[in-house]
Parts: sequence; C-alpha cells; structure tokens
Amino acid sequence: QSALTQPRSVSGSPGQSVTISCTGTSSDVGDYDFVSWYQHHPGKAPKLMIYEVSKRPSGVPDRFSGSKSGNTASLTISGLQAEDEADYHCCSYAASVVFGGGTKLTVL
Amino acid sequence: EVQLVESGGGLVKPGGSLRLSCAASGFTFSSYNMNWVRQAPGKGLEWVSSISGSSSYIYYADSVKGRFTISRDNAKNLVFLQVNSLRAEDTAVYYCARTLLGATTPPGYWGQGTLVTVSS
Repeated sequence: QSALTQPRSVSGSPGQSVTISCTGTSSDVGDYDFVSWYQHHPGKAPKLMIYEVSKRPSGVPDRFSGSKSGNTASLTISGLQAEDEADYHCCSYAASVVFGGGTKLTVL
Repeated sequence: EVQLVESGGGLVKPGGSLRLSCAASGFTFSSYNMNWVRQAPGKGLEWVSSISGSSSYIYYADSVKGRFTISRDNAKNLVFLQVNSLRAEDTAVYYCARTLLGATTPPGYWGQGTLVTVSS
C-alpha cells in the first residue's frame, strides 16, 4: 500500500494557526474514519495527538484538532507555540497501517 | 505509566541478523496488540509488523515479509522482532508501539527506538 501524501514542510508564527494535509485514497483515508496524527520531536518517542480523525487522547491540548474531507485528512494547530515545532505524521489504520511521509513544522 | 524500552539494535553487515526486543511495563501486556514501526534516515514512519495479544494474529509489511518475524512473551512482558537477511534499506530506527485501546485503534504509546544500521 502506498504511503499517504503530506507536504514536506509548513511554517507559522507564534499565535497563528497552521494546517497540515494528508491525502490518501478511497481505500484508506476516504473509506474509514481511522486516521491518526503523531507529533515527533527528533530523538524522542512519537506522540499520538489525534485518532479516529478528530479525537484527542487525554492530555493533548485542544489547540490540536483533526478533520477529514473525502480522501484528505487535516491536522490544524491553533495558537502556535515554540514547542509545537516538530515533525508530524499522519496514519491510516483501517485494513492495514500506512503512514504519510511526514511534515516538518517550523515555528518562525 | 506505560513504558516501552527497545534494545538489540546495532551495526550489522548486509545479509546479517539481529533480534530486537521491547520491554513493556505499566499495563496488562497480554491485553494489547503490539507493533513495530521504523523510520529510515530522512524518511517517514513505516509500519513493519503487528501481533495480537494472544499471538493469534500476526501481520507484516510486504517489504519485510519472509525476512522478519514478530513474537511475544506475555509472561515476561516482551515483544521481539527477529530481523534476518538484512539489506541497506532496512537501516532505520525501530520503534515498538502499543495500540491505544482495542485492536482497531492506532499505535498509541511508543518507545524511543533502537537504531539498526546495515552496512559493510
């Protein structure tokens, strides 16, 4: 199964909002609400931020939100903070587990 | 607190083998599916393999099928990944991850990874 498509990089200033897209197909992202997002600081363990498209695990700030339209899922981070600078990976975990290529978020 | 600690990585020649281990604590180990996910240098995450709590269901990515074997020891709270016939493209940080809740939930808790380098 092919990897999901994410932009290689996005950036924003503190306090702004950014949205990261994740495009799959009608066989994965489009057909199931099994999409998750991970925050990954280099050298650390990836952290689950969103699952089932828009649910937040306990402890994840509500600045992080997820949505989906057709074959594209999106992660929006509002009120950007310096500590949000990291790599973000989307994942479809329906019939099989497939990740996107990752997006580097730079907080200017 | 859920903790996952990987070990067993290292430098190995092409065609070589390693056994990766993941020690789990802080939860009822046998109740959860476990995964191995890897990240090659400069690349995104790639799911490698999954095993159900009772070891009844085992899945592999096509890229490792026939070369890698996942297993678990519920008495010792350990999950393993035997990696054989290693290739340069298997060079990556290998992460152990537990599903968040039930079988239809994503990897929710991750270890910090162990580095496998395949080079002559």
